[in-house]
Amino acid sequence: DVKVTQSSRYLVKRTGEKVFLECVQDMDHENMFWYRQDPGLGLRLIYFSYDVKMKEKGDIPEGYSVSREKKERFSLILESASTNQTSMYLCASSTSGTAPYGYTFGSGTRLTVV
Amino acid sequence: GESVGLHLPTLSVQEGDNSIINCAYSNSASDYFIWYKQESGKGPQFIIDIRSNMDKRQGQRVTVLLNKTVKHLSLQIAATQPGDSAVYFCAEVDNFNKFYFGSGTKLNVKP
Repeated sequence: DVKVTQSSRYLVKRTGEKVFLECVQDMDHENMFWYRQDPGLGLRLIYFSYDVKMKEKGDIPEGYSVSREKKERFSLILESASTNQTSMYLCASSTSGTAPYGYTFGSGTRLTVV
Repeated sequence: GESVGLHLPTLSVQEGDNSIINCAYSNSASDYFIWYKQESGKGPQFIIDIRSNMDKRQGQRVTVLLNKTVKHLSLQIAATQPGDSAVYFCAEVDNFNKFYFGSGTKLNVKP
């Protein structure tokens, strides 16, 4: 069964801490994405990557950075966590080219910043 | 239907009834559409997809209808069960392979 795995389901961090959210996919997908999901606001794209060592800003990149050193792994970094970054974070991956793309989400990481 | 805002629209149905969840999309050039189901505390799961050259596609207990004239997508769930309770949202994919997600509709199934 193909998977996108996020390393933590729940995290509690303190304001100002550096936070790493890890995502691994086993489908050999080219594309990987990080979203945050807040009630009523839907999915908002933070960063995405089309290839190893490549990254592109999404709609809300401020306060975040990413790393993609290997094809299967895409990390989201909060350099200095703030309370407004408390959210559900979702990783996804997909193929390039044409539909259906195999767009698959991880189970999510619920981050609370106190 | 779906909308952007602080509160999710909610659809309440009786167990055994059919459910219809609606989605309005914005880009007439979008050529692929997907419905996702997201249970509480979990990531979204693929339910069914449809390409723009179709107007209907059926799966197991689910049907997606696409009306390109009015840019409307719907998900029909037959004989709704308690396990169908979740947030459902649509996604449209444009001709640059970019995904756009709706904010979702919460389906509440009453026993």
